[in-house]
Amino acid sequence: RKEVEQDPGPFNVPEGATVAFNCTYSNSASQSFFWYRQDCRKEPKLLMSVYSSGNEDGRFTAQLNRASQYISLLIRDSKLSDSATYLCVVNPPSGSARQLTFGSGTQLTVLP
Amino acid sequence: DAGVTQSPTHLIKTRGQQVTLRCSPKSGHDTVSWYQQALGQGPQFIFQYYEEEERQRGNFPDRFSGHQFPNYSSELNVNALLLGDSALYLCASSSSGTGFYGYTFGSGTRLTVV
Repeated sequence: RKEVEQDPGPFNVPEGATVAFNCTYSNSASQSFFWYRQDCRKEPKLLMSVYSSGNEDGRFTAQLNRASQYISLLIRDSKLSDSATYLCVVNPPSGSARQLTFGSGTQLTVLP
Repeated sequence: DAGVTQSPTHLIKTRGQQVTLRCSPKSGHDTVSWYQQALGQGPQFIFQYYEEEERQRGNFPDRFSGHQFPNYSSELNVNALLLGDSALYLCASSSSGTGFYGYTFGSGTRLTVV
């Protein structure tokens, strides 16, 4: 089983739609959680951190369920500029505290 | 303020050759991590350097080696290149004081092995 698994995608949605991405992680002792965004042929960039209490940044909402080892990202009112690959990222337990483990990514295309 | 700088941006090598990739971290950062991203996959951790030493290593063979210099810049060396080494190689810098919350990636070096 992969350490971090994401919806395979791709997701093609119209402008203005709400879209949700899901991610599961295998190591229950994982400590930090993030969503990164990667545009085509560019480097990943931090979109937001994910906290147990849930957090929101404008149109983006991230949720963490430690009991189910599940992370989600909700994008409301999708824009053309949201088209990218979204990477679910986990920091494994303290023994490997200095690395990030990435999912394979979910590709989103927002259509006009 | 320059971000993370990687060179070269693109590289084509032949199987069996050796390659060196370079990374200059963001100003104020002292830690450099290297990742390999194959097409259609997420980045995979290769290793991390801090205080000129390899601090942690991912599941990569010894053909992959690195170095960090006193100015915090870093090199990634890959020997005996295989076709499967073709990938985008990403360098990420961070500060030992802020950990992942200041993690910044460079734009990467795209390596093609033919």
